[in-house]
Amino acid sequence: GENVEQHPSTLSVQEGDSAVIKCTYSDSASNYFPWYKQELGKGPQLIIDIRSNVGEKKDQRIAVTLNKTAKHFSLHITETQPEDSAVYFCAASKDSNYQLIWGAGTKLIIKP
Amino acid sequence: EPEVTQTPSHQVTQMGQEVILRCVPISNHLYFYWYRQILGQKVEFLVSFYNNEISEKSEIFDDQFSVERPDGSNFTLKIRSTKLEDSAMYFCATRLARVSYEQYFGPGTRLTVT
Repeated sequence: GENVEQHPSTLSVQEGDSAVIKCTYSDSASNYFPWYKQELGKGPQLIIDIRSNVGEKKDQRIAVTLNKTAKHFSLHITETQPEDSAVYFCAASKDSNYQLIWGAGTKLIIKP
Repeated sequence: EPEVTQTPSHQVTQMGQEVILRCVPISNHLYFYWYRQILGQKVEFLVSFYNNEISEKSEIFDDQFSVERPDGSNFTLKIRSTKLEDSAMYFCATRLARVSYEQYFGPGTRLTVT
């Protein structure tokens, strides 16, 4: 079955710098890759997603890139702000069942 | 903005007791999911539900688990006889339609089995 690996487990960046979180997946049939942000005591919040027919998607300071050949996808956050501090999860799913298979999460710490 | 709600936020129960976790999906969504997250581990898929029946379930979702949507609004997860290892955060998620991919999550229920 599908396996999603996520790195790093913790990322500490200076406020204003960029942060990059990377994920790999194993099932070539996966075609949907969302990113979720989870703040303490809250449920995962969908922040951006990408489908396999697209290589990159951007929404203000957040972007996601997908390399289908290498089975890699990444989250890029530019001009980081204190409110970006949270745990970020990547996930993958496919049309046959839409089950989300999750990465282990990255704790992003923004240093003032 | 419509959102998924879950109750209770925290449930403490003794081993062997039954618990029911409740979710109110976003009103026009048709697909419903339960996931769980044991402390320090990955989020895991439990079950998906559509048209009043289970679509898919994982190996975790054994005979101790059941789901239903009895009144057309609440979507419930029942654990018949809880075990210590059932302690986890349980998240409900909903999806609009067959051709939409996005899943929206509730705030979760923290289940503690003692």
